[in-house]
Amino acid sequence: AQTVTQSQPEMSVQEAETVTLSCTYDTSESDYYLFWYKQPPSRQMILVIRQEAYKQQNATENRFSVNFQKAAKSFSLKISDSQLGDAAMYFCAYRSAEKETSGSRLTFGEGTQLTVNP
Amino acid sequence: EPEVTQTPSHQVTQMGQEVILRCVPISNHLYFYWYRQILGQKVEFLVSFYNNEISEKSEIFDDQFSVERPDGSNFTLKIRSTKLEDSAMYFCATRRDTQETQYFGPGTRLLVL
Repeated sequence: AQTVTQSQPEMSVQEAETVTLSCTYDTSESDYYLFWYKQPPSRQMILVIRQEAYKQQNATENRFSVNFQKAAKSFSLKISDSQLGDAAMYFCAYRSAEKETSGSRLTFGEGTQLTVNP
Repeated sequence: EPEVTQTPSHQVTQMGQEVILRCVPISNHLYFYWYRQILGQKVEFLVSFYNNEISEKSEIFDDQFSVERPDGSNFTLKIRSTKLEDSAMYFCATRRDTQETQYFGPGTRLLVL
């Protein structure tokens, strides 16, 4: 079974600074997807960014980018120019790509609570 | 932009009562999921549903849980006899056939007393 680990329960960053959230995962599969979801106090789950394992290029979405290290099974999220609205719980998630006919569940990490200080 | 919707947003029930949580998927999405999040814990997979049948379920999804798509639009999660430990946020998620990303609804906060 796949596992996802986020070793930083809490992180803080100054507004306009850069912060990196860590995520590692364990899998025996070679084809999969990785995601970062943001959960603000409203508890809505909002997709931030996704990465396909077969792509070597790191995904980027505006101020959000990832550092995907497949051999190390590491998938960190970098937030540049942090804004107050970035404050939230961030979850890393894994999804197999090898079970297209089955449910393809998401497996989540424990989450990292990000605080942005003005 | 189309969104996944869920009703009710909050529900309080007595232990042993049945509850039905409802989800309206994005219209062209074919895969449906339920997840739950106990307060302060990670999000956990419950069940996935495709082509009018369960395609995968977790060990949490025991006989007291059921899912169905009764009218071709709503996707429901029923808990037959609620327990205190069922208190959690329940999220519905859906995705298109050709897409990897699951889009989440706003959640239903269930409190069992």
